[in-house]
Amino acid sequence: NAGVTQTPKFQVLKTGQSMTLQCAQDMNHNSMYWYRQDPGMGLRLIYYSASEGTTDKGEVPNGYNVSRLNKREFSLRLESAAPSQTSVYFCASSGRTGNQPQHFGDGTRLSIL
Amino acid sequence: SQQGEEDPQALSIQEGENATMNCSYKTSINNLQWYRQNSGRGLVHLILIRSNEREKHSGRLRVTLDTSKKSSSLLITASRAADTASYFCATDRDDKIIFGKGTRLHILP
Repeated sequence: NAGVTQTPKFQVLKTGQSMTLQCAQDMNHNSMYWYRQDPGMGLRLIYYSASEGTTDKGEVPNGYNVSRLNKREFSLRLESAAPSQTSVYFCASSGRTGNQPQHFGDGTRLSIL
Repeated sequence: SQQGEEDPQALSIQEGENATMNCSYKTSINNLQWYRQNSGRGLVHLILIRSNEREKHSGRLRVTLDTSKKSSSLLITASRAADTASYFCATDRDDKIIFGKGTRLHILP
């Protein structure tokens, strides 16, 4: 009963470093999402993948790239980290986009110094 | 660009009392969802209500939807300490869902 698994749980980076956040789901869901959560801002969608082989920009895509590696896995990459990207990042999945409940991982807490 | 807006931002009540949170949104929707987030955890889906439904129940949760007023409410009856969490409404738009900023609920012993 893993659901949505995110790695790592915590990470500290220096400005300009790169890293990839990993996400995997075991519910055979078609759609996957990356959000960031900042204090007082709620959740904001970075990128999403409606189905395997497709990715689309969300509300705040600048500074990020994504890869839908297969149906299970959806990764988020920061090519050159900036302090403004300090946040908690959540991965989620759903059967399909729009009108189905989303299942969330427990987040990656990322600090950029 | 926020679609749903929760009210109040924060709410403290005594254990056993009922808690009501509201969500207002701007454009027409197909459905509205409510989620709970415990401190340090991911969001957990609570309930989905479709635009042609007016009320839905799940255990101690009651959700109403008024599409004419573009608003929804979440009622938690007989609150417990474990209900302390943030609650978010989410509305669908362009094949995605957009989350509000949440209501922080604190249940006092």
